[in-house]
Amino acid sequence: DAGITQSPRHKVTETGTPVTLRCHQTENHRYMYWYRQDPGHGLRLIHYSYGVKDTDKGEVSDGYSVSRSKTEDFLLTLESATSSQTSVYFCAISELQGRSSYEQYFGPGTRLTVT
Amino acid sequence: QQQVKQSPQSLIVQKGGISIINCAYENTAFDYFPWYQQFPGKGPALLIAIRPDVSEKKEGRFTISFNKSAKQFSLHIMDSQPGDSATYFCAASMGNFNKFYFGSGTKLNVKP
Repeated sequence: DAGITQSPRHKVTETGTPVTLRCHQTENHRYMYWYRQDPGHGLRLIHYSYGVKDTDKGEVSDGYSVSRSKTEDFLLTLESATSSQTSVYFCAISELQGRSSYEQYFGPGTRLTVT
Repeated sequence: QQQVKQSPQSLIVQKGGISIINCAYENTAFDYFPWYQQFPGKGPALLIAIRPDVSEKKEGRFTISFNKSAKQFSLHIMDSQPGDSATYFCAASMGNFNKFYFGSGTKLNVKP
């Protein structure tokens, strides 16, 4: 999985509790992304980062926040988890070549269940 | 509004047959069109990708056909094998921060 780890791999939590998911990379890639995967929706971008302390919202960012204090770590926080946030969460990394798009490499995922 | 539309949602093919998955997009600024393969419990992995300056790209049994004027692209899996059974996602991106827009996925089942 291209030097990407996610922790925890599985988590069950209760509605209203805060949850933080961690993505760690050893590739020194500049760009990092958080996606959620739900049946019938494919992968949808939650937030992304284009450098240390540089982050922006994706298409489904409500209820989520992120932080990136080091190149290798990208944290996703659910401030107050809801059942609609039950999903599989994937972290991805990439670089750009010039102004062109390039491959994203995905981590193994975190399965989150909110009861 | 979904930027990339993928069909079919599921596909059953006999071993040795051809699997075809289709995707359509609207934004002509997209400059990279990858296909990802995902097995249960794993993260998506790049299978093959194409840029809009070519109409076809082939890697082994996998071929992308790209129609720029129709804003459509498709994945063809020749001589499909049971080991190809997985979920396939198309995607499209442009150079600004390399954000990907994924299709909804196709679950392929290749029967022996």
